[in-house]
Amino acid sequence: AQKVTQAQTEISVVEKEDVTLDCVYETRDTTYYLFWYKQPPSGELVFLIRRNSFDEQNEISGRYSWNFQKSTSSFNFTITASQVVDSAVYFCALSEKYNFNKFYFGSGTKLNVKP
Amino acid sequence: DVKVTQSSRYLVKRTGEKVFLECVQDMDHENMFWYRQDPGLGLRLIYFSYDVKMKEKGDIPEGYSVSREKKERFSLILESASTNQTSMYLCASSLRQGAYYGYTFGSGTRLTVV
Repeated sequence: AQKVTQAQTEISVVEKEDVTLDCVYETRDTTYYLFWYKQPPSGELVFLIRRNSFDEQNEISGRYSWNFQKSTSSFNFTITASQVVDSAVYFCALSEKYNFNKFYFGSGTKLNVKP
Repeated sequence: DVKVTQSSRYLVKRTGEKVFLECVQDMDHENMFWYRQDPGLGLRLIYFSYDVKMKEKGDIPEGYSVSREKKERFSLILESASTNQTSMYLCASSLRQGAYYGYTFGSGTRLTVV
């Protein structure tokens, strides 16, 4: 079974629109970590955020915000006022404390922001 | 900043060739990883290493081997390349507590086997 599900394969928006990327995870551990990575066309995955399972506070960083809800096992990512430079593939990932060498990645969501 | 450097961005190899993909990190990270990325499948772990000369199989190790003779270098070896190994290969590294700190990735090697 998939530990991390990103149901949206590809999303296209027009610049300045808001967009939310969904991530649903599955784990039995009580201590775990959730991540979002961005992969621009250059190929390198860039770390965006880490959240541990004990911190359900939502986080905002500029135009980016993250909504972590344990009740629904979701860790969604919203980009406000999207820009062309946001075009990339975004990956959600899960790591469990007692198996820390392994990350479970979702299949990724490709975001296309059109001018 | 931690840098993970993969020796080639693009490679074209023939079926049956032995292929070496090299990865070097410069921040003394204990853990190193090799993933392959295919459309619709996300990132799949091939092998990882948590110390010099140590290696562990990931989810899809068949057809691959690895070598870690020095802490900073982790090599992925395709013993006899096949067309189904055409893919993007990503190397990553992390501190020992990778779950907490996350990974740092290289820019990837796009391998085409013809």
